[in-house]
Amino acid sequence: RKEVEQDPGPFNVPEGATVAFNCTYSNSASQSFFWYRQDCRKEPKLLMSVYSSGNEDGRFTAQLNRASQYISLLIRDSKLSDSATYLCVVNSRSNQGGKLIFGQGTELSVKP
Amino acid sequence: DTGVSQDPRHKITKRGQNVTFRCDPISEHNRLYWYRQTLGQGPEFLTYFQNEAQLEKSRLLSDRFSAERPKGSFSTLEIQRTEQGDSAMYLCASSLQIAKNIQYFGAGTRLSVL
Repeated sequence: RKEVEQDPGPFNVPEGATVAFNCTYSNSASQSFFWYRQDCRKEPKLLMSVYSSGNEDGRFTAQLNRASQYISLLIRDSKLSDSATYLCVVNSRSNQGGKLIFGQGTELSVKP
Repeated sequence: DTGVSQDPRHKITKRGQNVTFRCDPISEHNRLYWYRQTLGQGPEFLTYFQNEAQLEKSRLLSDRFSAERPKGSFSTLEIQRTEQGDSAMYLCASSLQIAKNIQYFGAGTRLSVL
């Protein structure tokens, strides 16, 4: 079993749609959680951190459920520019470090 | 540009050759990470440095791989006797040693082994 698992996708949605991505992680000792966005053949870029209380950044809402080891990302009113791969990321502390464990990513394609 | 810089952006090599990649982190960041990404997968951790000390290496990092960060600034990743299975995007990231450890990635070096 992979440490971080995501919906495989791809998700094909029309502009304006609401889309939700789900993710589960296996290490209950994980400390920090993130969503990164990766455009085709580009580097991953931080979209948002994820907090237990839930957090929102414009059209994006992230939720964390530590008891269920579940992370979600909701995108409202999707735009063409939201088309990308969304990576669920967990910070798995080891030694004094903080290597990131990535899910395989979920591809989103927003169509006109 | 004050982001993470990687060089070269692309490298094509023949099987059995040695290759070396360079990463320049964001200047005040003391942590530096190497990851590898293959098509359709998320990045996988290879190794990381805090200042000049290499603190962790993944089991993915075989004996043919070596990474250095001699002065705690830039880092190099060398692959000896390359194999076709080494073909991937090699990503470097850096971060500050603070609570959330948010990592910022460079554009990567895409390696193709023929």
